[in-house]
Order: sequence, then C-alpha cells, then structure tokens
Amino acid sequence: AQTVTQSQPEMSVQEAETVTLSCTYDTSESDYYLFWYKQPPSRQMILVIRQEAYKQQNATENRFSVNFQKAAKSFSLKISDSQLGDAAMYFCAYRSSQGGKLIFGQGTELSVKP
Amino acid sequence: ETGVTQTPRHLVMGMTNKKSLKCEQHLGHNAMYWYKQSAKKPLELMFVYSLEERVENNSVPSRFSPECPNSSHLFLHLHTLQPEDSALYLCASSQDLQGWGEQYFGPGTRLTVT
Repeated sequence: AQTVTQSQPEMSVQEAETVTLSCTYDTSESDYYLFWYKQPPSRQMILVIRQEAYKQQNATENRFSVNFQKAAKSFSLKISDSQLGDAAMYFCAYRSSQGGKLIFGQGTELSVKP
Repeated sequence: ETGVTQTPRHLVMGMTNKKSLKCEQHLGHNAMYWYKQSAKKPLELMFVYSLEERVENNSVPSRFSPECPNSSHLFLHLHTLQPEDSALYLCASSQDLQGWGEQYFGPGTRLTVT
C-alpha cells in the first residue's frame, strides 16, 4: 500500500523569505501523480501544484515549485517570496496513475511572520 | 454558486440523533468523495462515487450512510454517532476517477458529537 509522510508538523517563515516543506512517499508503482494542497484557516482546500512521475522536469507555479526526486521518493514544496496569505496547512498527496483515491500526508502547518 | 458547497457548515448532535450532511458541486464533475479530517491525522477517504455509483467504501462504520442521487449531489446520513466521530467532513469532486484530475474541495462541515 502506498503511504505519504510529512515529517514537519509545523514550519515558520519570515515574510519574503523562502521555505521548503518536505514530503516522502512509498510506492511500488512507476507511474503516479503527486500533489500539494493548501488548506487556509477558512478550510477550503485548494490545489497548489502537481507533478507527473514520468516527467523529470520539476513543476512550477509562480512562487511555488517542487523538487521531485523519484529515486528517493521525495517531493518537496518550495515557496519563494513568502506572503502572509501563504499561511495554511499544506498537504502532500499521492495518486496512482490507475486513478482512484488520493492518499494524503499528515500535513504541515505553515506560519508566516511579518 | 460555484465550486463545491457543503451544508451545514457546523453541526452539533447527540449520539442518538439522526442528521445529514449535504454536498453539491456546480462543476459538471462525475466523481464525488467524502473525507474525514481529524486533528493531527491525514485525511481519511470514506466514500467514492462515480456516475452515482459507489466505487469505494473504506471500511467505514455503518452509522455513516452515503447517498448520491445524481452526479451533482452527495449526502452523508449520520445516526447513532460516537464522540470520536467529531471531525471536519470534507466533500470533493473531480471530473472523473482517472488521470491526474484535480479534486475540488468544499469548505467542510465541522461536526461535534456530544
């Protein structure tokens, strides 16, 4: 069975600085999808960024980028130029290429200091 | 209304009550999901529906009963719940079950069982 682990329950970053959130996963599959979701205090969870396992190029969405290390089964999220609105719970998630359910990590609570 | 909506946003119920949670998606999606989010734990997938058919039931106690009357609506009927069922219940939808399609989440229902 696939598992997703986020080893940092809480992280803090100064406004305008860069922060990296860690995620590791375990799977025997070679093709799959990885996601980072953001859940602000208002609770509506939204997709931040996603990566297809067969693509070597790291995904980037504006200030958000990932460091995807397939061999190490690592999928970290880098937030550049952090803003107060980035404060939220961040969840890493895995999905098989066969489709079906998302498997979530425990989440990392990010606080941004002004 | 756009996106995924959930009602009620907050619910307090006794262990002998019967209540229902409602989810509605306005995105034309074919798949809908119920998740349970408890503090300090990963999101737990409860049920998955595709084209109004239940395709996954993750060993959820029978005191939770889902219903999907059409592709836009999803209900979670609750009866004789336990205090440990107190959690945030999230509904989500996606275009379908395959591929890397994004799941869109509702704001959740905060359930407290007394």
